[in-house]
Amino acid sequence: EAEVAQSPRYKITEKSQAVAFWCDPISGHATLYWYRQILGQGPELLVQFQDESVVDDSQLPKDRFSAERLKGVDSTLKIQPAELGDSAMYLCASSVDRSSGNTIYFGEGSWLTVV
Amino acid sequence: AQKITQTQPGMFVQEKEAVTLDCTYDTSDPSYGLFWYKQPSSGEMIFLIYQGSYDQQNATEGRYSLNFQKARKSANLVISASQLGDSAMYFCAMREAFAAGNKLTFGGGTRVLVKP
Repeated sequence: EAEVAQSPRYKITEKSQAVAFWCDPISGHATLYWYRQILGQGPELLVQFQDESVVDDSQLPKDRFSAERLKGVDSTLKIQPAELGDSAMYLCASSVDRSSGNTIYFGEGSWLTVV
Repeated sequence: AQKITQTQPGMFVQEKEAVTLDCTYDTSDPSYGLFWYKQPSSGEMIFLIYQGSYDQQNATEGRYSLNFQKARKSANLVISASQLGDSAMYFCAMREAFAAGNKLTFGGGTRVLVKP
């Protein structure tokens, strides 16, 4: 069964350093999402792509976070500089398109600890 | 206002018994989808079951069933014959057809612990 691939699985970084996460969605999925999940809470959307275009980045802290999906396939989420409050799990997800009836499939997530 | 509300932060259930996880939602969109996900301690978010707002029958997937009460804006998940491997966090989520970006909005989750 096709999966959403994410790397790295775990990352420890020092405050003020840069960190990047990579995601490869399920083949053929046009819509890609990055979610952040703080321990004990539900995931919250950071950014959503439709092909290579950003559809929603209203919750993305743009002073330090950036995301791109240059060829409309895989995507990178970057944080620079990292802050202690960025410690969380970063989940990538994809779906065939934006229809409300299409399931969104998640990767295993990338755990970030900022020290 | 919260779009998805899960009022049970944690539950214990005896192995082989059924458990119901509550979920209420808030939307003015006539077309929407409701999803349940399971998140084990490993962190991956596993899709369990889907219910569309226009679906006439309640969704079922193996041991999972969704008790959809549209007028009450309720979409409770029922897990029958609980197994030890069902111990995890469970999230209810909604995707609205006309909301900006059609993003998936999650509730706060319910932690289930199955006792042997």
